[in-house]
Formats: sequence, C-alpha cells, structure tokens
Amino acid sequence: DIVLTQTPLSLSVTPGQPASISCKSSQSLLHTDGKTYLFWYLQKAGQSPQLLIYEGTNRFFGVPDRFSGSGSGTDFTLKISRVEAEDVGVYYCMQSIQLPPWTFGQGTKVEIK
Amino acid sequence: QVQLVQSGAEVKKPGASVRVSCKASGYTFSGYYINWVRQAPGQGPEWMGWIDPNSGGTNYAQKFQGRVTMTRDTSISTAYMELSRLRSDDMAVYYCVCGTGYWGQGTLVTVSS
Repeated sequence: DIVLTQTPLSLSVTPGQPASISCKSSQSLLHTDGKTYLFWYLQKAGQSPQLLIYEGTNRFFGVPDRFSGSGSGTDFTLKISRVEAEDVGVYYCMQSIQLPPWTFGQGTKVEIK
Repeated sequence: QVQLVQSGAEVKKPGASVRVSCKASGYTFSGYYINWVRQAPGQGPEWMGWIDPNSGGTNYAQKFQGRVTMTRDTSISTAYMELSRLRSDDMAVYYCVCGTGYWGQGTLVTVSS
C-alpha cells in the first residue's frame, strides 16, 4: 500500500498568519492519464471530512481561495494564506491512484493561538 | 445539490452483522462509484471499498474481504454496506462517499456485549 506521511502532526497558528502542511508519498501519485491523485480534506469536530483540494492543485466547489495545493510526484503541500478561526480541525491528505485501497495521511491538527 | 443521507446509529453485539444504507440525490446515481470509509474513535479514515452503482461491481480492501458486502438498489438510488462477524474494533463511524468529494453524514456503529 502507498504510505502518506504528513508533517507537522499539529500546528498552532495566529489568526491572519499563513500555515503549511506537507504530505509525502511512498510512490508517485502521477497517473499515466496525466492526473495526480492526491486530495486534501479538512475534518472539523463532529463532522464528515470535507474536500478542499482535488488532483493536487484544484480547489473544490465553494472552497475559499486562501486554500491552495501544490506539488507533484511524491511531494505535496497544502497552504492556507491567512488562517481564520473556522479553519480549525484535522487536515488529511489522501491518495487514490492505487486501488485498492485509498490511503490517508496521519492527519495534522490545526488550532488557533 | 449532491446529498448522501445515511441510516441512523446502530448498536450491535459481537458476532452480529450491521447494514448501513446511503441514499443519494442531486445527481445520476449510476454515474459515480460509491466508496465506503470508516473512522474509529480518535483515528484517521480507513477505506473499505467501493461499488459501481451501474454494474454492481465491487472492490474491497483486503482487510475486509469475506466480511463486507456492498450492494445497491438503483430504483431508489441507495447503496448499502453490510459488515458481518462484528468485533469490538469495528466500532467506528461509517461514511459513504460519492467519488471523492461528497460524503454522507456518517453512521455510528457501536459494538458492545
């Protein structure tokens, strides 16, 4: 199975400041179809995960533009340009290039200072 | 808009089976795979498998082979996940996911004698 390693595992951020989360894959997530099968989710307390970024760099419907995804191959980054109070929760990267199974990173807990 | 509405919380005894339903609306049910993901308390998400609502074809994570069955009823746009021979470590919130972007609200399955 593909292993996704997230760093850091926790992050405390002052509102208005940027934040960055890394996700490294044990194998390339670039498919022969040209797409990169790396996704970013935010799970707020007591809620289902919500998709933020798909195919490495594309914001999902309704996701604020302060969220951005970058990277290729095996190294990926989620950036929040200016953290807001509503951004607290656990962020997960996920890969779906290799089925079965999907695999998820360990999660990064983001809190507000 | 796309909506996935799951059945309510379940309490089961060890060794029993549980069936969770997932009713889809707002899109063509047969057009997108339904994935099932579970999340144990305090843990990250874990992919269980998918069903193709069009053909009924399935693909299960090796971990669940022999214990999980995914089915669908296209006449009512509903997918089902049945897990048998429940153990205490099957206690989790179970989610259905349309593609990668749309998640149900989750169904808590408690396994307790």
